[in-house]
Amino acid sequence: DTEVTQTPKHLVMGMTNKKSLKCEQHMGHRAMYWYKQKAKKPPELMFVYSYEKLSINESVPSRFSPECPNSSLLNLHLHALQPEDSALYLCASSQVSERNEQFFGPGTRLTVL
Amino acid sequence: AQRVTQPEKLLSVFKGAPVELKCNYSYSGSPELFWYVQYSRQRLQLLLRHISRESIKGFTADLNKGETSFHLKKPFAQEEDSAMYYCALYILTGGGNKLTFGTGTQLKVEL
Repeated sequence: DTEVTQTPKHLVMGMTNKKSLKCEQHMGHRAMYWYKQKAKKPPELMFVYSYEKLSINESVPSRFSPECPNSSLLNLHLHALQPEDSALYLCASSQVSERNEQFFGPGTRLTVL
Repeated sequence: AQRVTQPEKLLSVFKGAPVELKCNYSYSGSPELFWYVQYSRQRLQLLLRHISRESIKGFTADLNKGETSFHLKKPFAQEEDSAMYYCALYILTGGGNKLTFGTGTQLKVEL
């Protein structure tokens, strides 16, 4: 399996809801990433996990809570989001060693009402 | 500060014409640069990286450290090249390694 999968494809939530995004890969990659991508904009890094430990948090608001329960899974827990958080959320994975290609998932399209 | 600049939001060329997508970077360390491509309704994927010096789908890119550029070129554009292209810089930080993307150039190849 050489793909990164993300579920759900689409998610609509209210500002008081709690929801989670899920990302999975079976390529043996030990680095996993969350990005946020607004329409017609580049992906913006949110979090990096290396060997299941959070290594980079790009000053993301606490209403976004990442979790890496094992080497194949990455979750993003969402709570009390704002309408401006509506975006495409991309997951990626790579080998940990420096400067490796990142493999991207198809993304979850999130709409916050 | 580290930065990747793609000056053209949209580049429109005719089929068979040469293509050059510009990318300039600012980085104090030794740069590692990539081109990623996003076709319509498809996921973001790596097109090429400077260190491999290979040609993918007829595209090439040469790192010019003097001009701090990594322009993407193709001698003859094809219709299937229409896509969003992102230049990306690999940055080493205390917490780990990360990619910083340019703002992207939408390439439109017209018949």
